[in-house]
Amino acid sequence: AQSVTQLDSQVPVFEEAPVELRCNYSSSVSVYLFWYVQYPNQGLQLLLKYLSGSTLVKGINGFEAEFNKSQTSFHLRKPSVHISDTAEYFCAVTYNTDKLIFGTGTRLQVFP
Amino acid sequence: DTEVTQTPKHLVMGMTNKKSLKCEQHMGHRAMYWYKQKAKKPPELMFVYSYEKLSINESVPSRFSPECPNSSLLNLHLHALQPEDSALYLCASTPRHLFGETQYFGPGTRLLVL
Repeated sequence: AQSVTQLDSQVPVFEEAPVELRCNYSSSVSVYLFWYVQYPNQGLQLLLKYLSGSTLVKGINGFEAEFNKSQTSFHLRKPSVHISDTAEYFCAVTYNTDKLIFGTGTRLQVFP
Repeated sequence: DTEVTQTPKHLVMGMTNKKSLKCEQHMGHRAMYWYKQKAKKPPELMFVYSYEKLSINESVPSRFSPECPNSSLLNLHLHALQPEDSALYLCASTPRHLFGETQYFGPGTRLLVL
């Protein structure tokens, strides 16, 4: 079955430190990948997405992700986090269909 | 206007009540979605409307009844819900119902069923 895996349920980090949130998907010929962020008591907001082209994708709020086909990964990175980045982060994928499949989410907790 | 709005923000209802959730967008999007999100879980797709027609129903119980009266508005009618239906209900929209489009989410309605 097609799936997406976020191995880390929680990632604690100090402010101004770099962070990487991991996402792996099951292999497929055609795949589109997304990262969404959900702040407390809010809906989801798109951070970035990969459809094709350059494997390094830049998004909002200083986030970027790299599509790695050989490792079937789409890890999210930020070189220096802020307290305001504390939120739930969801990796999502579509596999040749219009249905968005979400990972289980990673809670990023930034400490001062 | 790149906003999806949802009303009410919060809703408490008894198991015998009938209530409705409302979602609205004015981006000209022709596909609209209902998701259910339990605490600390990812959103789960419930329904998809494309051009005001129901195109996906993810085997949702009949106590949830969606309605799309026009291209800007999506309702979710609730009747005889169970306590386990308590969750955050999210609405989303896309320009079309196509592979790879960005979904724009509303802030959600937090539902508590007593």
